[in-house]
Amino acid sequence: EIVLTQSPATLSLSPGERATLSCRASQSVSSYLAWYQQKPGQAPRLLFYDASNRATGIPARFSGSGSGTDFTLTISSLEPEDFAVYYCQQRRSWPALTFGGGTKVEIK
Amino acid sequence: QVQLVESGGGVVQPGRSLRLSCTASGFTFSSYPMHWVRQAPGKGLEWVAVIANDGNDKYQADSVKGRFTISRDNSKNTVYLQMNSLRAEDTAVYYCARDRKVAAADYYFDYWGQGTLVTVSS
Repeated sequence: EIVLTQSPATLSLSPGERATLSCRASQSVSSYLAWYQQKPGQAPRLLFYDASNRATGIPARFSGSGSGTDFTLTISSLEPEDFAVYYCQQRRSWPALTFGGGTKVEIK
Repeated sequence: QVQLVESGGGVVQPGRSLRLSCTASGFTFSSYPMHWVRQAPGKGLEWVAVIANDGNDKYQADSVKGRFTISRDNSKNTVYLQMNSLRAEDTAVYYCARDRKVAAADYYFDYWGQGTLVTVSS
């Protein structure tokens, strides 16, 4: 099983600040990685697929990068609606899909 | 607009069965693979199962293999999850999710339902 480790577990930032979230895979997943955002009481929302392809309707302040084992989700300037939990997910080993444990971005 | 609506959750005793349904609208249901993903209370996400758009191919996570079965009825725009021999560790919100790609699954999920809570407890 491919294990995805997200760091940090919690990120405390203020609106307007830059957020950098990390996802590290236990073995190469090539570029087969997605990012999701989940707010309390809501379903996850797809942000990026194949590491850097922005999903429909996702604002440009979000960017995804990386390949192999190291991936980054960056939010260039946090808006109030961006405070949420973010998950990465790999499909390299389909159908044995796995998710990371999540990073919570909270208001400082 | 795309909508996915789950139903069938509830409280069930260990060892018993439950069937979840997810009814879709706003897109050509028969063209898309469909998934179930679950989330235990306060925990992260876990993929459960996928079914091809025509229903011919199905895969499940090892944690549910032999106990859970995914199926679909394209005439009803509905995907199901039959859950047998339920355990306490199956307690979770169960989401159905649409695969991002038509026909051939790429195992990314672009639309999700609101989820249905399954609680396994005596």
